[in-house]
Amino acid sequence: GALVYQYPRRTICKSGTSMRMECQAVGFQATSVAWYRQSPQKTFELIALSTVNSAIKYEQNFTQEKFPISHPNLSFSSMTVLNAYLEDRGLYLCGARLQNTEVFFGKGTRLTVV
Amino acid sequence: SQWGEENLQALSIQEGEDVTMNCSYKTYTTVVHWYRQDSGRGPALIILIRSNEREKRSGRLRATLDTSSQSSSLSITAAQCEDTAVYFCATSSTGSKLSFGKGAKLTVSP
Repeated sequence: GALVYQYPRRTICKSGTSMRMECQAVGFQATSVAWYRQSPQKTFELIALSTVNSAIKYEQNFTQEKFPISHPNLSFSSMTVLNAYLEDRGLYLCGARLQNTEVFFGKGTRLTVV
Repeated sequence: SQWGEENLQALSIQEGEDVTMNCSYKTYTTVVHWYRQDSGRGPALIILIRSNEREKRSGRLRATLDTSSQSSSLSITAAQCEDTAVYFCATSSTGSKLSFGKGAKLTVSP
């Protein structure tokens, strides 16, 4: 079956430091990977959509300078949160798309900033 | 409706009851995804209905899609305690991002 692994599951970082999270698609080749942030109120914000061999498209309010993404192949993507502050807290989710239809999510990386 | 709500919708039912969650969307979509999210986990895809389908069933789940009114519903028959979760609908057109609704928190009590 299609699985998406995200790690770490949770991380705590000091304000102003950076942290990197990874996303691995297992059992399928993802045509695209999207990174989302979910707030404590459960709302989703799309950070960026990444397709292998294409430019990564960032949504408004999110930039490559703040959330650099690496997507070297069809099964792996990583994103870094640079200079994390309180407003960057949340559950970061990686969604990997299978054949332009189903999107499977990892369990998320919960970021706490202290 | 999941869109247009400021807060997460909350539904509480007893075990054995049926429940329907509704979702309306504003932009064209080729697919409506329904996800459930358990506490502390990412969303899990439970049923997907395409624009050429009006109804889709999977076990105790039933999804409908009305493209003319741009609405979809998810029904759970004979709900069980383990159905307790937050349910989201999400839309997408081919090759594009998912747009999530606000979600509905379902609590099923024994």
